[in-house]
Amino acid sequence: DGGITQSPKYLFRKEGQNVTLSCEQNLNHDAMYWYRQDPGQGLRLIYYSQIVNDFQKGDIAEGYSVSREKKESFPLTVTSAQKNPTAFYLCASSMETGGATQYFGPGTRLLVL
Amino acid sequence: AQSVAQPEDQVNVAEGNPLTVKCTYSVSGNPYLFWYVQYPNRGLQVLLKYITGDNLVKGSYGFEAEFNKSQTSFHLKKPSALVSDSALYFCAVRDNTGGFKTIFGAGTRLFVKA
Repeated sequence: DGGITQSPKYLFRKEGQNVTLSCEQNLNHDAMYWYRQDPGQGLRLIYYSQIVNDFQKGDIAEGYSVSREKKESFPLTVTSAQKNPTAFYLCASSMETGGATQYFGPGTRLLVL
Repeated sequence: AQSVAQPEDQVNVAEGNPLTVKCTYSVSGNPYLFWYVQYPNRGLQVLLKYITGDNLVKGSYGFEAEFNKSQTSFHLKKPSALVSDSALYFCAVRDNTGGFKTIFGAGTRLFVKA
């Protein structure tokens, strides 16, 4: 089955704790993205990566970090500097030819204890 | 600056009636345009996209959208709504002149009543 997987489905963070959200794709896509979704605000881009070992900040990168050591994987770390992390986090990937349709994972809901 | 507007937070229609979900955009050049759908607690999936060619684009589940360059609009339509169409719909735009980001609208929630 080709697609994007995200884990865990639900994640609880304690104050001062860093947590990492996993995103894996087996679509052989070059580009990967992380979005944050809050009610009524649509999707906001956190980070994106066009190629292995390279990534750029999106519109709301503060308090987040990423790595892209493998083509298939693009983990997102929510650091303690992110003061309002409660949200639904979506990972996506795309080919950079053929219209750049993004394919999304099922999402991770992050909650603060 | 690139932007996407979905002027309606919510659209209510009766099953069997036609539906329209509106989208207008502001982007330089000739954009790629998309409609995505999101069901509760799920990721987004693409319904249809416009890259070039015929202004009327047909997509999944009987949906279609018309690209109107002069009005910079890309409204989503379906001739006969189903209860199962109830979901959150996002319009998205990508500048294909070398930019990389896709800009998403805020989303429109569609309710179809039986």
